Amino acid sequence: TQLLEQSPQFLSIQEGENLTVYCNSSSVFSSLQWYRQEPGEGPVLLVTVVTGGEVKKLKRLTFQFGDARKDSSLHITAAQPGDTGLYLCAGAGGKLIFGQGTTLQVKP
Amino acid sequence: NAGVMQNPRHLVRRRGQEARLRCSPMKGHSHVYWYRQLPEEGLKFMVYLQKENIIDESGMPKERFSAEFPKEGPSILRIQQVVRGDSAAYFCASSPLWTGTETQYFGPGTRLLVL
Repeated sequence: TQLLEQSPQFLSIQEGENLTVYCNSSSVFSSLQWYRQEPGEGPVLLVTVVTGGEVKKLKRLTFQFGDARKDSSLHITAAQPGDTGLYLCAGAGGKLIFGQGTTLQVKP
Repeated sequence: NAGVMQNPRHLVRRRGQEARLRCSPMKGHSHVYWYRQLPEEGLKFMVYLQKENIIDESGMPKERFSAEFPKEGPSILRIQQVVRGDSAAYFCASSPLWTGTETQYFGPGTRLLVL
């Protein structure tokens, strides 16, 4: 059974701080996707990483896929209150296997 | 280009009734996936369908749950004789084809409440 462990589960920080969310598995995935979900809405795709070692940047967000394609990280620089939400990683292998999610709260 | 559409957004049913959840994929997408999100939990895969075919239903409960994606019209997730434990948010996602990277785009979800 493929599992994705996401950490931390909860994170409350002040505006301007940096943070990193981790997504780890013992399984290899063909790709890994990061989503953000607002309360009452569906997950919105942020990025898909495909190649081992790949790094993608989306403004203040940096996503990295591990060399062995088993893990990934999301780093947010100078967090803002608008970054508040649930961040989900999902590994692809025919269907998406989701981590438990990281609830981020950025306080002004 | 409209995104993935789901309706209803909210559905209230009494125990024993049937729930029908509908999903229209993005235009040009022929692959549909259903996921369930229980309170305080991540999304769990239920079923993967292409037009008129169920490809993977390994996440579907063995009883009371069924899904279809007909040649014409939306995909339907049907829950018969609902119980309180079925209360959850049900999300549909679609993708254009199976590319190996399988980027999926999600709808807004249907929140089912069983009284």
